[in-house]
Amino acid sequence: GNSVTQMEGPVTLSEEAFLTINCTYTATGYPSLFWYVQYPGEGLQLLLKATKADDKGSNKGFEATYRKETTSFHLEKGSVQVSDSAVYFCALSFTGGGNKLTFGTGTQLKVEL
Amino acid sequence: EPEVTQTPSHQVTQMGQEVILRCVPISNHLYFYWYRQILGQKVEFLVSFYNNEISEKSEIFDDQFSVERPDGSNFTLKIRSTKLEDSAMYFCASSDRVTETQYFGPGTRLLVL
Repeated sequence: GNSVTQMEGPVTLSEEAFLTINCTYTATGYPSLFWYVQYPGEGLQLLLKATKADDKGSNKGFEATYRKETTSFHLEKGSVQVSDSAVYFCALSFTGGGNKLTFGTGTQLKVEL
Repeated sequence: EPEVTQTPSHQVTQMGQEVILRCVPISNHLYFYWYRQILGQKVEFLVSFYNNEISEKSEIFDDQFSVERPDGSNFTLKIRSTKLEDSAMYFCASSDRVTETQYFGPGTRLLVL
């Protein structure tokens, strides 16, 4: 079946540090890939997405590139802020209405001053 | 910006009781979903719904669960006889036909005692 694997957390960084959260997937076919973020006490918010190989999703300084050859979708940000502290979920879905999202386990990010 | 809303935000119930979780999807969306997140674990798909029918359901979504769209705006998840292991955060999501991106509500935290 389809699955998503994320790096274990928590990840603790100092403000302005570079962030990478690894995500790899297993799927039959070519899914769309997503990063969702969950701030403390809140629901899931879409951060960015990519729908085909070599696409780069970006939002709020975060980026991720869909790499078919390595089945990866790593999340990066050049300079994190305390306000980026949250749990980040990588997910996949297939195109076609109503298709479910398959999530990774989530990676907690803590950014300190 | 349109958003998915959910009520209640928190619900405490006794084991064996019925609960109904309510969601108002984004108004022009056609596909609706329920997910759950047991504390500290990954977000899991429960069910998807389109055109007044279940499109797909997971093995978690057994006979104790049901979904309904009772009117043009609400989408509900009913758990007929709650178990301790149903304690979780339940998220509703919706998507349209064009982007197929799922937008999540803030969640209902269910505690079964």
